[in-house]
Amino acid sequence: GAGVSQSPSNKVTEKGKDVELRCDPISGHTALYWYRQSLGQGLEFLIYFQGNSAPDKSGLPSDRFSAERTGGSVSTLTIQRTQQEDSAVYLCASSLLAGAYNEQFFGPGTRLTVL
Amino acid sequence: DAKTTQPTSMDCAEGRAANLPCNHSTISGNEYVYWYRQIHSQGPQYIIHGLKNNETNEMASLIITEDRKSSTLILPHATLRDTAVYYCIAGSSNTGKLIFGQGTTLQVKP
Repeated sequence: GAGVSQSPSNKVTEKGKDVELRCDPISGHTALYWYRQSLGQGLEFLIYFQGNSAPDKSGLPSDRFSAERTGGSVSTLTIQRTQQEDSAVYLCASSLLAGAYNEQFFGPGTRLTVL
Repeated sequence: DAKTTQPTSMDCAEGRAANLPCNHSTISGNEYVYWYRQIHSQGPQYIIHGLKNNETNEMASLIITEDRKSSTLILPHATLRDTAVYYCIAGSSNTGKLIFGQGTTLQVKP
């Protein structure tokens, strides 16, 4: 079946512009996660959604970052007034349920470059 | 989430077993040990997880010490395609939030 998809695969933007990154999770997965990976760095948790519960936003680095998940499916990560330090690969993952025992399936990522 | 410590890098000969260690001495009782790997330019891939007992699947085996302070991921017959960064994570059973460390870069050599 289809895996997690993300779009765009690459995004180049100018400093100060807003960007939206999209994630389509695996159908039926109730949990959705966003991570980012800066050049040469490990993966950093950003936010996760579980069903209709309030999202866990504890990893968002600043108030310029926000995310929505509409209808329990597609999610959009928005970065306002982008800065050069926002350049990274943004990865989305989904799992059937939230919880330690649920395998997370990762998408291919969106590579964001802020000039 | 408990902190994990892994060696920065390891080499393994093709066809041999790769044994990747992980220390998680502050792990709490409800935290699982997960292993993911990331092949260059791809998203991470789940390998295996465990709580107390040793686990085995088609990809690997996970050996967890009785005190749960450390574990070892075993790839029984490493291939060149197993070259990747391997992440050991101790995660809460209440959420799926994964806190990744720097991982171990495994280089499988012919």
